Formats: sequence, C-alpha cells, structure tokens
Amino acid sequence: SQQGEEDPQALSIQEGENATMNCSYKTSINNLQWYRQNSGRGLVHLILIRSNEREKHSGRLRVTLDTSKKSSSLLITASRAADTASYFCATDAWAAGNKLTFGGGTRVLVKP
Amino acid sequence: DAGVIQSPRHEVTEMGQEVTLRCKPISGHDYLFWYRQTMMRGLELLIYFNNNVPIDDSGMPEDRFSAKMPNASFSTLKIQPSEPRDSAVYFCASRVNTEAFFGQGTRLTVV
Repeated sequence: SQQGEEDPQALSIQEGENATMNCSYKTSINNLQWYRQNSGRGLVHLILIRSNEREKHSGRLRVTLDTSKKSSSLLITASRAADTASYFCATDAWAAGNKLTFGGGTRVLVKP
Repeated sequence: DAGVIQSPRHEVTEMGQEVTLRCKPISGHDYLFWYRQTMMRGLELLIYFNNNVPIDDSGMPEDRFSAKMPNASFSTLKIQPSEPRDSAVYFCASRVNTEAFFGQGTRLTVV
C-alpha cells in the first residue's frame, strides 16, 4: 500500500481560483515533499516541508503539515492554465531507509 | 548537468522478449530509484540504491525483474521475459539529501 494518499483524485477549477489538495500518510516521516507531473513528463520537485515545520510558502504555493493527523495540504493560489498537471505528495523517512514513497496523485485541470 | 537521462524513451517489444531500460543519474547523487507508473497502480517504487548498493527491492514485482548499478553513473532495469502487464512508464530518479530529480521516463509497451 502507498504511504501517501492524495485527495481529491481529480480537481477542475477556473483560472484565478485556488486549488487545494490533501495528502494523508501512515507512518512517521522526516519530511514530506510535493511534486508536479505534466502529461508525458517526469516528476518535478515543488516544495519540501520538514516534520518540525507546520507551514511553508513558495511563490503561489502554500504547504501545511499536521504530524498529529499525519496529513498535509498543498494550496495553489490564483491558478493558471499552466498549472494543469498531476500533483503528488511523497514521504521521506530515515526509518524507512530514506526511500521516497509517492501517493496516487491529484489531477488538476485549470480551465482558462 | 543534463539531469537524469533515461533510454530509450519508448520501447515496443513482443511478449517473451528481454527488455533493458537504462538510467544515468545526476553526478554526485548517492541515491537512485526505479519507479513504475500505471493508471491502475499509480507510481510504484520498484527498487532503490544507495552508493550503488541495492537497499530495498521489495517493490520488484517478480523474479522476471532485475536491476543493477555497476557504478555511480549507470543503472539498468531488466525484464526477462517481458509480459503485456509490464506495459507502463518506468522512471528513474536520483537524489542527494532530499529533493529527487526524475528522468523523462521510458514508455514500455509489451504486445
């Protein structure tokens, strides 16, 4: 079973709206990362949040982490058509041998 | 650096044939991961290496799959014999510290 599970599986919004997706995981982590995948391409790292952090920002991205609930959220503000992609969370844990385990992803469609 | 390089980009093969996928990680990265992506199963970790040593191959689906990393700049994933259910996109990724860098993937079709 996958360590991270994203919710929702798919999201359709209008350009300019915010997009929020969630990730739940099962075991203790050292950090949680979010990646983006455009159709037919490899994954690209977006942002990392460490287990001792609660919130982090990068441009139009905002990530939160609640280790008590084992969950994270990614918010994309003022979305653009170019944000259309799949977004994945990945958990990283030293106890798991530093392997990076991905969730099922959220497919985001931003309509112009 | 050119990033993680995978070859071939596309592979079409007949059932029963041997398939070899190749990966050149980013220089200086000490971890290398092989993932398989399908619509049904998402992104699955097959195997990963640390300093060229296999650490966890529990994700390798069957004995038909094998992976090697003979040196820090090259890894292969071999499927022998291939089956139609092996059709997927196979990604290689490398990392140092935290962030992973992915190759463009190899789209494998077994007919």
